[in-house]
Amino acid sequence: SQQGEEDPQALSIQEGENATMNCSYKTSINNLQWYRQNSGRGLVHLILIRSNEREKHSGRLRVTLDTSKKSSSLLITASRAADTASYFCAALTGGFKTIFGAGTRLFVKA
Amino acid sequence: GAVVSQHPSRVICKSGTSVKIECRSLDFQATTMFWYRQFPKKSLMLMATSNEGSKATYEQGVEKDKFLINHASLTLSTLTVTSAHPEDSSFYICSARTRQGETQYFGPGTRLLVL
Repeated sequence: SQQGEEDPQALSIQEGENATMNCSYKTSINNLQWYRQNSGRGLVHLILIRSNEREKHSGRLRVTLDTSKKSSSLLITASRAADTASYFCAALTGGFKTIFGAGTRLFVKA
Repeated sequence: GAVVSQHPSRVICKSGTSVKIECRSLDFQATTMFWYRQFPKKSLMLMATSNEGSKATYEQGVEKDKFLINHASLTLSTLTVTSAHPEDSSFYICSARTRQGETQYFGPGTRLLVL
């Protein structure tokens, strides 16, 4: 299968809470990126973490990468209703292909 | 930031016709472009990778004669869905990357509905 795995598949939280999404992949990677997609729209790039990095921050986003476990997590702090969307991890493999995870659908209740 | 456009954004066609979707990098040269397909509430599935001036590399299970890809210039790639059928209805998304770039920039997607 092309896809990596993400969990949870769906997440519903209250505004102000933190949201954590996890992603696992199968091959060695050059980097891993997280994207956001609103329903029926294109993808918006959120953050990139390289294979030699362990943690990265951008505003309310925090990404971790554990290459020994082939996994990554995305944390959104102090969530807002506007954060409601699907979130995908995407691993850039050694063959320079980008393989997407299955995605997590996040719903933030106001 | 880098911008990738797609045209059309939405298309409805009759079964048996062919549909062409354009993907353009507006402010950078894209040596590599990718075409993805996305079913409702599902993730993106890579269909093919195209490098400017060479033939596209298709993923396993993707019919080359069904999905024709042309990457004639550093700013334009096209995907033609030939003899479209209702099962080809989907959301098609392209992305582009520079030779040195780590990040892929995605187009807004094209929603195809085949009646």
